[in-house]
Amino acid sequence: EAGVAQSPRYKIIEKRQSVAFWCNPISGHATLYWYQQILGQGPKLLIQFQNNGVVDDSQLPKDRFSAERLKGVDSTLKIQPAKLEDSAVYLCASSLGPGLNLYNEQFFGPGTRLTVL
Amino acid sequence: AQSVTQPDIHITVSEGASLELRCNYSYGATPYLFWYVQSPGQGLQLLLKYFSGDTLVQGIKGFEAEFKRSQSSFNLRKPSVHWSDAAEYFCAVGGPISNFGNEKLTFGTGTRLTIIP
Repeated sequence: EAGVAQSPRYKIIEKRQSVAFWCNPISGHATLYWYQQILGQGPKLLIQFQNNGVVDDSQLPKDRFSAERLKGVDSTLKIQPAKLEDSAVYLCASSLGPGLNLYNEQFFGPGTRLTVL
Repeated sequence: AQSVTQPDIHITVSEGASLELRCNYSYGATPYLFWYVQSPGQGLQLLLKYFSGDTLVQGIKGFEAEFKRSQSSFNLRKPSVHWSDAAEYFCAVGGPISNFGNEKLTFGTGTRLTIIP
């Protein structure tokens, strides 16, 4: 079974530029998550999709971050304009459905490491 | 609000020695608890999880964890570490209870494990 795919793996940009990250979840997974992992910290949830609808975006800085999941499969996370403090690893995860239980596990992709200069 | 504390930022152990990584949580009810491992350049992989029942949980790669309600702890253990266990380890709590069916993961800041030959 293929895992969660993310691209690019690394990105270096200057502040005020824009950047986009792509995620392809595991086939059949209805729920998709984007996390931000700043160096020295644990992952923090940015946004959660259920199919193509947003379930939770309470921690997404909406003035500069946006995300979409067209057709309920692939997802794109965009930052525009980027700030220095956006330097982090952006992780995508997917699961069969929402919530946490014995049968519903979040599977994580390898992440995209963003450096903002 | 739920939270997780991993008091050890970095631990070094010799190959073949036993390991214990500490995790303390704050949560208003019986928590859902998780341990993830993150190897360099990799996404997070679930080692084990606790929802209810037996407080000693067995996971993959020879890891186990024990839930101690009285101490609000969920420490990860392994009797004999291998060089391949060198990685970052994250403890996480799932919740909140008010969001039953759509619980979220809240991660600790991680413990980096170094193995010396």
